[in-house]
Amino acid sequence: EVQLEESRGGLVQPGGSLRLNCVASGFTSSDHHMDWVRQAPGKGLEWVGRIRNKAHSDTTQYAASVKGRFTISRDDSKNSLSLQMNSLKIEDTAVYYCVRVSYISGWFSDYWGQGIQVTVSS
Amino acid sequence: DIQLTQSPSFLSASVGDRVTITCRASEGISSYLAWYQQKPGKAPKLLIYAASTLQSGVPSRFSGSGSGTEFTLTISSLQPEDFATYYCQQFNNYPLTFGGGTKVEIK
Repeated sequence: EVQLEESRGGLVQPGGSLRLNCVASGFTSSDHHMDWVRQAPGKGLEWVGRIRNKAHSDTTQYAASVKGRFTISRDDSKNSLSLQMNSLKIEDTAVYYCVRVSYISGWFSDYWGQGIQVTVSS
Repeated sequence: DIQLTQSPSFLSASVGDRVTITCRASEGISSYLAWYQQKPGKAPKLLIYAASTLQSGVPSRFSGSGSGTEFTLTISSLQPEDFATYYCQQFNNYPLTFGGGTKVEIK
């Protein structure tokens, strides 16, 4: 069974850092592109960034709102990925989802973690 | 960036109603569009990908159509468990973007 489990969210002050972790099970995460998507309180979904699969050399792509502050990486030995968040702003407060991306005649996000809360506040 | 505009943003409907949600893209995205359902406090669930392909396990009352800039999600006969918020997402260009959401509530 495919599962994604995020961890290490929490409360952080503006300007601080936090590293989210996502452990995958039931599949090999390096075979897939993996995304982070967030949802601010009461708001819609926002794509944060992507790490492509091993076949695409684990290259990354980010939303403009986080580029230069957030970094996505993989740890294949643990079948996991991370989202390093630096210089956090109040507007980064959201539930963050780890998402598996697949392709069958089109791209889609077929498995989502349960989400983890990140709160940026003084 | 490609903007996705969903309409309506809110709709009130009854069990058994036929419901249609529209997603318009600011530029052509071929068929690289997916639809998701989200219930309060839960992660989104994939319903449709490649604009019209039903994800495995999703009831056949859900269907998708469109290509280019205009897409629709149709629920042929609304069921109690379908009351939720629905989002479209484009996969044609970076940054990937979502529509603003359509909340379907019970009339």
